[in-house]
Amino acid sequence: QKEVEQDPGPLSVPEGAIVSLNCTYSNSAFQYFMWYRQYSRKGPELLMYTYSSGNKEDGRFTAQVDKSSKYISLFIRDSQPSDSATYLCAMIQFNDYKLSFGAGTTVTVRA
Amino acid sequence: GAGVSQSPRYKVAKRGQDVALRCDPISGHVSLFWYQQALGQGPEFLTYFQNEAQLDKSGLPSDRFFAERPEGSVSTLKIQRTQQEDSAVYLCASSGRQGASNQPQHFGDGTRLSIL
Repeated sequence: QKEVEQDPGPLSVPEGAIVSLNCTYSNSAFQYFMWYRQYSRKGPELLMYTYSSGNKEDGRFTAQVDKSSKYISLFIRDSQPSDSATYLCAMIQFNDYKLSFGAGTTVTVRA
Repeated sequence: GAGVSQSPRYKVAKRGQDVALRCDPISGHVSLFWYQQALGQGPEFLTYFQNEAQLDKSGLPSDRFFAERPEGSVSTLKIQRTQQEDSAVYLCASSGRQGASNQPQHFGDGTRLSIL
């Protein structure tokens, strides 16, 4: 079993819909949680970075962390066609440097 | 440059050939990482440098893989006697402070390696 499991998708939603992405993890030592966006044939781009349980909002993006359930989510409000990409969750232990990634969820927002 | 730069963007090699992949990190970044991303998967850690020192190479798949960062800036990932299973995207990332888990890693666009 992988340390980080991500809902496989793919997801296809109409423009303006809310996109919900989820990851679970098994290692309780993970302390920092990230969401990366990866466009086709590009590198991962950091979207959100959190380290505590609760919600963090940045524009149309909300990251949610529940350490007790070992569950993280990313919500995208008012989705746009430009949000079409693969979204990767990633996490890291305190004082470590290796990122552990989920497999990614590919999202398509239809105009 | 403004971001992490990798070259070449695409590399096709015949099985058994040696390849070299280059990474130019963000200027001044101390930490440099290599990851391997298979099709449809998330990146997997290969190796970590702090300045010129390779502190962790536990993710390198075999002794055919070798990485270096001799002057603490540009890094090269070399794969000897390539095999078909080496086909993947090789991503380089850098971050500012050594070993600090709270420093975000910034990725390049990768080198897409295809072994025929």
